[in-house]
Parts: sequence; structure tokens; C-alpha cells
Amino acid sequence: DGGITQSPKYLFRKEGQNVTLSCEQNLNHDAMYWYRQDPGQGLRLIYYSQIVNDFQKGDIAEGYSVSREKKESFPLTVTSAQKNPTAFYLCASNQRESTDTQYFGPGTRLTVL
Amino acid sequence: GNSVTQMEGPVTLSEEAFLTINCTYTATGYPSLFWYVQYPGEGLQLLLKATKADDKGSNKGFEATYRKETTSFHLEKGSVQVSDSAVYFCARSGGYQKVTFGTGTKLQVIP
Repeated sequence: DGGITQSPKYLFRKEGQNVTLSCEQNLNHDAMYWYRQDPGQGLRLIYYSQIVNDFQKGDIAEGYSVSREKKESFPLTVTSAQKNPTAFYLCASNQRESTDTQYFGPGTRLTVL
Repeated sequence: GNSVTQMEGPVTLSEEAFLTINCTYTATGYPSLFWYVQYPGEGLQLLLKATKADDKGSNKGFEATYRKETTSFHLEKGSVQVSDSAVYFCARSGGYQKVTFGTGTKLQVIP
């Protein structure tokens, strides 16, 4: 079955540590996205990528980094510079245009201890 | 910039009640409009979409009509079920390949 997988489902980290969230898709989509979801704030865009080896900052990129070395994969690193990293992180993909439907993974809940 | 405003929740309804969740969007350009649904602990999934003015999106008994004159895309369902309990997000497409989401409206349907 085609879809998007994110791992792990739950992640705990200590303050000052970097952590990488995985996102893989087998939908052959060009574009991939990372969102952060906090209660009452909806979804906020962290980074997006329209093509391999290229990505753009979203609205809240500070303290995060990404790579896009393969079409299928778009990992997100939450660095120690992110002041308030505890949140639910969602990865999504679509064919290319913002008018296309986005397909979401199941999400990773990150908790900083 | 682009924005989407939707009614705050939570919305609590009895089973078989009529549902309306209001959504308005900024009128820049010619956006596509979406409703996504999120069940507890999961990612979002598309519920319906409309790509131009006066289009009606529909799925699973839910409907929404793209109203350019009122910049609205209200979600409706004639008879809700307990299984419809979820968070509903209105969204619009925009520039630079980005999609703008509303803050979400939580719906709780009680038997």
C-alpha cells in the first residue's frame, strides 16, 4: 500500500540533545512538508521541499534542519536551538503544487524531558 | 498574507444533529480550498476539496461550497454520527507551494 510512514510514534529527548524524525513516502510525490502541531494553533509549516536536494524554510524554521537526498525521504532534525520542541510533528507529501491534496503520515509526538 | 479563519470549538452535538463548521479565507489569488479531518492520535486526511468558485466538494455525507462572494467554505453534514468525532481543519492553497491551515475545530458527537 502506498503511503507515508513516520517513526518513531513517540520520542523522548533530554534538553540539549538533537533528535531526528524520520519521514518516508512511496507515493512518488515530488513535494514533502514538515508541520508542527500545538494545541489551539493548528498546523505551522517548518520546512518544505519540492525536489530532491532542494528545500525551503517555512514559517517556523528556527531550531530545525532538514535534508532531501532521496525523493522518498525527508528527515527532520530538531536541534538544541529549538526553544520549545515538545509538540506533535506531521510529515506530508503531494504531487507538486499547493493545489494538490496533501497526504499525511501518522505523526511523531516529541517530548523534551 | 494568506489566512484561514474557522470557528473555535469544541462543538458538541447529539447524534443525528445538523453540523455546520464555518470557514473563511483571504481572497488573494484563486486558491483551492480543502477540509481535512484528524482522528485522535493520527495524521490528517482529506475529507473534501473544491478548486474553483461555486464548486461543491462532498464526501461521506459532508459538503462544502466554494463561495467567492463571501470568501467562505463552510462544512455541513445533515446528520452526524458518533464516528464523526474528530478535529476538522479548513485549508487553502497559496503561493510558494504552501498550504495555509485554520486552527482546527474539534467536534464531539454524543449518543
